[in-house]
Amino acid sequence: RKEVEQDPGPFNVPEGATVAFNCTYSNSASQSFFWYRQDCRKEPKLLMSVYSSGNEDGRFTAQLNRASQYISLLIRDSKLSDSATYLCVVNKKVRYGGSQGNLIFGKGTKLSVKP
Amino acid sequence: NAGVTQTPKFQVLKTGQSMTLQCAQDMNHNSMYWYRQDPGMGLRLIYYSASEGTTDKGEVPNGYNVSRLNKREFSLRLESAAPSQTSVYFCASSEWLGQGDTEAFFGQGTRLTVV
Repeated sequence: RKEVEQDPGPFNVPEGATVAFNCTYSNSASQSFFWYRQDCRKEPKLLMSVYSSGNEDGRFTAQLNRASQYISLLIRDSKLSDSATYLCVVNKKVRYGGSQGNLIFGKGTKLSVKP
Repeated sequence: NAGVTQTPKFQVLKTGQSMTLQCAQDMNHNSMYWYRQDPGMGLRLIYYSASEGTTDKGEVPNGYNVSRLNKREFSLRLESAAPSQTSVYFCASSEWLGQGDTEAFFGQGTRLTVV
């Protein structure tokens, strides 16, 4: 099983649509979860962190299911400006009992929102 | 408010040449990373440094070396560049807070072409 696996995409949706991205991770000891957005030829930037209780930021809702090792991102009322690649990110604790970790990125899912 | 600064932004090398990519962050983060991004492959971790004085191999370390010069700076060196190392390289930094990483901040990337 890959460490972080995302829907391959691409997703092509009309403006106003609701779109959901899914992500699974293999390391049950992971403690930090994020969704990043990457625009073409740009660096990735944080969209939102993901918490066990779920969190919402405007049109964006992120959910975490630790038992299933599953993360989701829901975008409601999609806009043309939402067109980008969405990356699922999970930390990998590499020294048990220590204080170090590193962040593992999924391959990303490309979203194209059409007029 | 610079964040993560990478240099150079673009570089063309001939096969066999060497070069060093520079990265510096001003957020006092302990963790720093080097990723490469290729079409269809997502972000792949080359090396990371959990703290000053430590470095560890990531998923694709062959052909690269790194130096964590101090807490701010983390350089990536290609000793003998190969066409397979043509890619976009991103440096990033984050902080481990004991129960998870903070978000990772990325530099703007270096577009490297090896001919």
